[in-house]
Amino acid sequence: AQSVAQPEDQVNVAEGNPLTVKCTYSVSGNPYLFWYVQYPNRGLQFLLKYITGDNLVKGSYGFEAEFNKSQTSFHLKKPSALVSDSALYFCAVRALRHANTGFQKLVFGTGTRLLVSP
Amino acid sequence: GAVVSQHPSRVICKSGTSVKIECRSLDFQATTMFWYRQFPKQSLMLMATSNEGSKATYEQGVEKDKFLINHASLTLSTLTVTSAHPEDSSFYICSARGPGSNEQYFGPGTRLTVT
Repeated sequence: AQSVAQPEDQVNVAEGNPLTVKCTYSVSGNPYLFWYVQYPNRGLQFLLKYITGDNLVKGSYGFEAEFNKSQTSFHLKKPSALVSDSALYFCAVRALRHANTGFQKLVFGTGTRLLVSP
Repeated sequence: GAVVSQHPSRVICKSGTSVKIECRSLDFQATTMFWYRQFPKQSLMLMATSNEGSKATYEQGVEKDKFLINHASLTLSTLTVTSAHPEDSSFYICSARGPGSNEQYFGPGTRLTVT
């Protein structure tokens, strides 16, 4: 079974400081990992994804995430936070498609609220 | 590209009535659409997966007679909440996947309030 854990309900950071939002996953086989951001009363916006290749993935709005297979983690990072980054962030995982199991559904973490103070 | 829209964005209905939410893929053909529900301060919970022209596959615990899903065309799926009750009030989000694609593209969500 697939699962995602986001251990922090909320992360507080001052503007200009680096930020990290944590995510660990559990999946059979190779993972397909995503980060999404959600602003109030809005749907999810795609930030970045990892399929294969370079462990450091760069995405939208200056965000990046590092895939660590040994720690089964995919933490979201940004070198310098902005007040406008304040939002709800979701990590999600899906197993890569297998011929005999078909399309695997996307499983989301519980979300981490990021608050960036001026 | 890969834009998904939802209509309406907000809806208020009275208890006992039914409400329909539309999900459209605007610039691609969506062979599969997904419906999620999100409670305040909680994650997205997958309700059902629908493939064009076939019956939806519901997740465990989701009442298929209450949440009717129709995926009549490659660009449109609808979710009808029948005989709505206040506990059905939630944020409903759809997503769509194109043929041969691993990506899901999300709609902006619909806020349903049942009074």
